[in-house]
Amino acid sequence: AIWMTQSPTLLSASTGDRVTISCRMSQGIATYLAWYQQKPGKAPELLIYDTFTLQSGVPSRFSGSGSGTDFTLTITFLQSEDFATYYCQQYYSFPPTFGGGTRVEIK
Amino acid sequence: QVQLQESGPGLVKPSETLSLICSVSGASVTRNYWSWIRQSPGKGLEWIGDLYASGTTNYYPSLRGRVTISFDTSKNQFSLSLSSVTPADTAIYYCARLQKGGSGVVTGWLDSWGQGVLVTVSS
Repeated sequence: AIWMTQSPTLLSASTGDRVTISCRMSQGIATYLAWYQQKPGKAPELLIYDTFTLQSGVPSRFSGSGSGTDFTLTITFLQSEDFATYYCQQYYSFPPTFGGGTRVEIK
Repeated sequence: QVQLQESGPGLVKPSETLSLICSVSGASVTRNYWSWIRQSPGKGLEWIGDLYASGTTNYYPSLRGRVTISFDTSKNQFSLSLSSVTPADTAIYYCARLQKGGSGVVTGWLDSWGQGVLVTVSS
């Protein structure tokens, strides 16, 4: 299985900040990567797939980049509804695997 | 808009079989791909398996031999069966619709999720 290291585990930020979350793979996955947002007590929601493509309805302040082994989720101008936990997921090979998550909290 | 809803017992005894149903509305189960995922505090998000429109399945290696995912087309549902459960199988179980990646990959990303159901394995 492909191992994923997501960092940081916890990110303290303020509304209006620009934040970046990193996801590093144990081997190259081309651009077969998705990002999800999860709020307490809720299921994860898809934000981005194929590294760059924004899911329909997701605000444009979310963006993804990277290829191979290093990927980034960026949120520009953080909003109050963005405080949540974010996960990356690779689908280059089976089984698909998730990163350990990054919790974005209010500073 | 696709909607998914998990249902099943919230408590299962060790060594017994965990059985869950995912009811789908807004899409045909036989014309899409589907997955089961679980989430526990100790292990994070863990993929259980995929069910493809053809009826073919693909299971997480460590669960093979214990897991079965299948269609119930008459009710537009699909199901999860996990046998010989232990307390380590305690988790929130989610069903989701799978969007298959490019031609070079066998799986993909999850664009619609059920709300999840907590299953506790305990005597």
